[in-house]
Amino acid sequence: GNSVTQMEGPVTLSEEAFLTINCTYTATGYPSLFWYVQYPGEGLQLLLKATKADDKGSNKGFEATYRKETTSFHLEKGSVQVSDSAVYFCALSVVGQAGTALIFGKGTTLSVSS
Amino acid sequence: DVKVTQSSRYLVKRTGEKVFLECVQDMDHENMFWYRQDPGLGLRLIYFSYDVKMKEKGDIPEGYSVSREKKERFSLILESASTNQTSMYLCATRLLIVGTEAFFGQGTRLTVV
Repeated sequence: GNSVTQMEGPVTLSEEAFLTINCTYTATGYPSLFWYVQYPGEGLQLLLKATKADDKGSNKGFEATYRKETTSFHLEKGSVQVSDSAVYFCALSVVGQAGTALIFGKGTTLSVSS
Repeated sequence: DVKVTQSSRYLVKRTGEKVFLECVQDMDHENMFWYRQDPGLGLRLIYFSYDVKMKEKGDIPEGYSVSREKKERFSLILESASTNQTSMYLCATRLLIVGTEAFFGQGTRLTVV
């Protein structure tokens, strides 16, 4: 089946620290990969995506590279800010699997202090 | 911009009540989804629909039903609310095209007492 595994949180960092949130996946087809972010009290919003191997998605200083050989899509940011405090979800979609629903990891809570 | 609107931000209902959660989108997306979000469990798919009057079960459909009479509206129904259905409910929409992202509503925090 299809699934997403991401690192357990919470992740606590100081401002300007380097961030990595690990995400690995299993998929029976060829997936598209996504990172979503959820700020307190809000719904999810797309942070970045990649649709084929070796693609790099980037947005707001965050990056993730689609690694087919390691089935990974790790999220990175060189210098986090307090405003990055949120819950981050890795997700995949595979056509023909449960329709086209996205399958999510359990989420990683990031807390950044000044 | 895509707009996905859920009818309520917060709801408090009594055990045994029939509960309706409404979701409306304005971008003509074919796919609509209902997820529930619980701490430590992430997002779990309840039901989805890829066309009017079409519905498919997700991973946790028990205790829920859905209705899609119009393309822009997707309703989640709790036939007889129970305390274990206290959760955050998220509606999402998506085009029926490979690689496209889903757009989410702001969520409905449902408490069943």
